[in-house]
Amino acid sequence: DAGVTQSPTHLIKTRGQQVTLRCSPKSGHDTVSWYQQALGQGPQFIFQYYEEEERQRGNFPDRFSGHQFPNYSSELNVNALLLGDSALYLCASSLLGLVYSEQYFGPGTRLTVT
Amino acid sequence: GDSVTQMEGPVTLSEEAFLTINCTYTATGYPSLFWYVQYPGEGLQLLLKATKADDKGSNKGFEATYRKETTSFHLEKGSVQVSDSAVYFCALSGGNAGGTSYGKLTFGQGTILTVHP
Repeated sequence: DAGVTQSPTHLIKTRGQQVTLRCSPKSGHDTVSWYQQALGQGPQFIFQYYEEEERQRGNFPDRFSGHQFPNYSSELNVNALLLGDSALYLCASSLLGLVYSEQYFGPGTRLTVT
Repeated sequence: GDSVTQMEGPVTLSEEAFLTINCTYTATGYPSLFWYVQYPGEGLQLLLKATKADDKGSNKGFEATYRKETTSFHLEKGSVQVSDSAVYFCALSGGNAGGTSYGKLTFGQGTILTVHP
């Protein structure tokens, strides 16, 4: 079982550019959540996808968008990058249901905006 | 909204010392509570969880008890090892009275633990 995988590992972009981050969930999981972790802070919830739809969204601007594919993998897109978008972006997968399902985290993508 | 507050860090201990990391929360409904650990250069790993009041989560010698009356979920370990050095995050997943599926995790700011030989 490969667990949650993310790509790329590291990324450097310039202010104003756009970036796409990718996530493959753990085998058997159908829900993907994205988190932003600034240096020295706890992760902040961006949004969650299930059945290719955004189910929940945190307090992030519309510059942050996402997508989930039929195979449950997901992308996070950030437009018009700001210096403040520099962070570790974590993807977590889980199985949606009536009982809480543990979220498994990937190793993250380190985004640096210069 | 939901929030989690962890004790100010960092925490530095000698091997075999007793560890306590305090965590308190604010949430509506009946949240589930978690402790995650992040080793250098790695993602988050679930350390333990508790899904209802008075539940005790435990794993690898770590324990935490869900105290609804004090809205707390303090992490403890009787004898820490150098390998326990990491960042520890307290988190909650908001529940609601309907018991529907849980979604986002709300994290505390993290506590850096360093254990010296």
